[in-house]
Amino acid sequence: GAGVSQTPSNKVTEKGKYVELRCDPISGHTALYWYRQSLGQGPEFLIYFQGTGAADDSGLPNDRFFAVRPEGSVSTLKIQRTERGDSAVYLCASSLMAGGDYGYTFGSGTRLTVV
Amino acid sequence: AQSVTQLDSHVSVSEGTPVLLRCNYSSSYSPSLFWYVQHPNKGLQLLLKYTSAATLVKGINGFEAEFKKSETSFHLTKPSAHMSDAAEYFCVVSRRNNAGNMLTFGGGTRLMVKP
Repeated sequence: GAGVSQTPSNKVTEKGKYVELRCDPISGHTALYWYRQSLGQGPEFLIYFQGTGAADDSGLPNDRFFAVRPEGSVSTLKIQRTERGDSAVYLCASSLMAGGDYGYTFGSGTRLTVV
Repeated sequence: AQSVTQLDSHVSVSEGTPVLLRCNYSSSYSPSLFWYVQHPNKGLQLLLKYTSAATLVKGINGFEAEFKKSETSFHLTKPSAHMSDAAEYFCVVSRRNNAGNMLTFGGGTRLMVKP
């Protein structure tokens, strides 16, 4: 597509529930990144994929968070047993390739609210 | 390790006056540096980037930034503010040529433009 698409744009869920957030990167972009932006802060790195594999998941806060990219295109960020502290905007970005000076394109994000 | 400090959380200017948003970085490696802008409910948009060529970088919408290695700074400037410039601005450092090219964001500076 023309840009990075994230769905849903807003998600409200109850504490303890499971949620999935979807990212559709720019066609042909092999690198995909997830970031989390809490209120009043800059985005923080969560995980990145090169192709289908998670090349670096060091930013995932705990084992309730997991992400997949089974066909090297669309990615899903999964959060189990959600907590109120998970409330944030989750941003996805894609890049033609990882590394070097390839630019990122960010999606508009999914605003997750855990009540 | 790398980090970014944006020295002002809020900056207020009058329309038509100059803009200065300050940024200092720390990096153990040769950095790439970026400025992104985030308008309300919109995705992050790249304003400009420094990747090792000219130290004075020109970006979109009349913004520019100067890389000063001796001062570890990358301040963003614009000669004359416009109402449409009101937004959140993020200074970002990336480890150049790192395989993952993960971005480290500053805490952001909210620019307010008064008529």
